[in-house]
Amino acid sequence: GAGVSQTPSNKVTEKGKYVELRCDPISGHTALYWYRQSLGQGPEFLIYFQGTGAADDSGLPNDRFFAVRPEGSVSTLKIQRTERGDSAVYLCASSLEVGQIFNYGYTFGSGTRLTVV
Amino acid sequence: DQQVKQNSPSLSVQEGRISILNCDYTNSMFDYFLWYKKYPAEGPTFLISISSIKDKNEDGRFTVFLNKSAKHLSLHIVPSQPGDSAVYFCAASRGAGANNLFFGTGTRLTVIP
Repeated sequence: GAGVSQTPSNKVTEKGKYVELRCDPISGHTALYWYRQSLGQGPEFLIYFQGTGAADDSGLPNDRFFAVRPEGSVSTLKIQRTERGDSAVYLCASSLEVGQIFNYGYTFGSGTRLTVV
Repeated sequence: DQQVKQNSPSLSVQEGRISILNCDYTNSMFDYFLWYKKYPAEGPTFLISISSIKDKNEDGRFTVFLNKSAKHLSLHIVPSQPGDSAVYFCAASRGAGANNLFFGTGTRLTVIP
């Protein structure tokens, strides 16, 4: 597609439920990133993929969070046993190659606003 | 611990005047810096970047200045236009090939027509 697509755009879930957030990167982009933006904060790094593998998951807050990218394109961020503190905008970004963020920056999607009630 | 700080949550500027957005960082290992602009309900978009080997980078109406000794950078927009009204994020990385960015909390710029 022309840009990074994230679905759903909004998700409301009850505390304790499981959610999946989807990211469809720009075609041909090998690097994919997930960030989380809480209210009043800047985006915080969660995980990045180079191809199918999670090359750096150091930003995932705990083991309730997991992300996959099985075919090296679409990625799914999975959150188990959601808590109210998980409420945030989850942003996905992609770049043509790893290490291009300085020259071109990432291309971000519009995000998924997750609300846990 | 916030390693990149934007201490002004908001800024209002008259159209045609200069907008100056400031950013401070604490980690001396940061050597690449970027500015992103974000409109409501959209993802951040890349605006301009600077390497620590430079102290200035210019792109049209946008100029970023870096003061390494003070661990401070600023974004100048001249002349400011109403379409520049957005939230601006400063971000930093350790190395050009870094995988992740450290973002500030953002400054909301309003350009008054």
